[in-house]
Amino acid sequence: ETGVTQTPRHLVMGMTNKKSLKCEQHLGHNAMYWYKQSAKKPLELMFVYSLEERVENNSVPSRFSPECPNSSHLFLHLHTLQPEDSALYLCASSQAPPARDGYTFGSGTRLTVV
Amino acid sequence: GQSLEQPSEVTAVEGAIVQINCTYQTSGFYGLSWYQQHDGGAPTFLSYNALDGLEETGRFSSFLSRSDSYGYLLLQELQMKDSASYFCAVRTYNQGGKLIFGQGTELSVKP
Repeated sequence: ETGVTQTPRHLVMGMTNKKSLKCEQHLGHNAMYWYKQSAKKPLELMFVYSLEERVENNSVPSRFSPECPNSSHLFLHLHTLQPEDSALYLCASSQAPPARDGYTFGSGTRLTVV
Repeated sequence: GQSLEQPSEVTAVEGAIVQINCTYQTSGFYGLSWYQQHDGGAPTFLSYNALDGLEETGRFSSFLSRSDSYGYLLLQELQMKDSASYFCAVRTYNQGGKLIFGQGTELSVKP
């Protein structure tokens, strides 16, 4: 248990489906992040929420839509995805502004788009 | 732009010492972090350097030279369980202290 819980762990969806990824943290952190991890590529920052306000949208296609209803929960809504969107989606949380301790990551959702 | 460079893979034997280097280019640099990720698992935080010098945590040490935009992770007394991917990541002042990750170094520890 890492302190950050992501559900589901695995997801297979068709290109016309709509699904949501969920992330929950109870570490008292005030910033949450979505990262995409594809094979042989760096973790790519998608979205940053600090104090429940979105502070970055890193040129992510509109078929990905984040939601942060409170400081403990983060969602990523998915619709009309493409096969190249298949990847591991990681949620993380931290204190902001930066502190010595690092991010705490969830175990990720392995997404396959068919 | 912002970028980090680290070797894609390293192989070493049990009991040995291995050093994984990381060079970076970024604006608003705050510190350099290292993360470990086992296959299929969550990245886990290993160490953090905001100032020049060496930080030691058990078998792992991390070094930073801000003037050279360079750091490394040193793993001593390697064990089979250390086989994993290791990522360096730059933490910036901007927008919530976001982390920018390198591509990762896959470490294989052989018997």
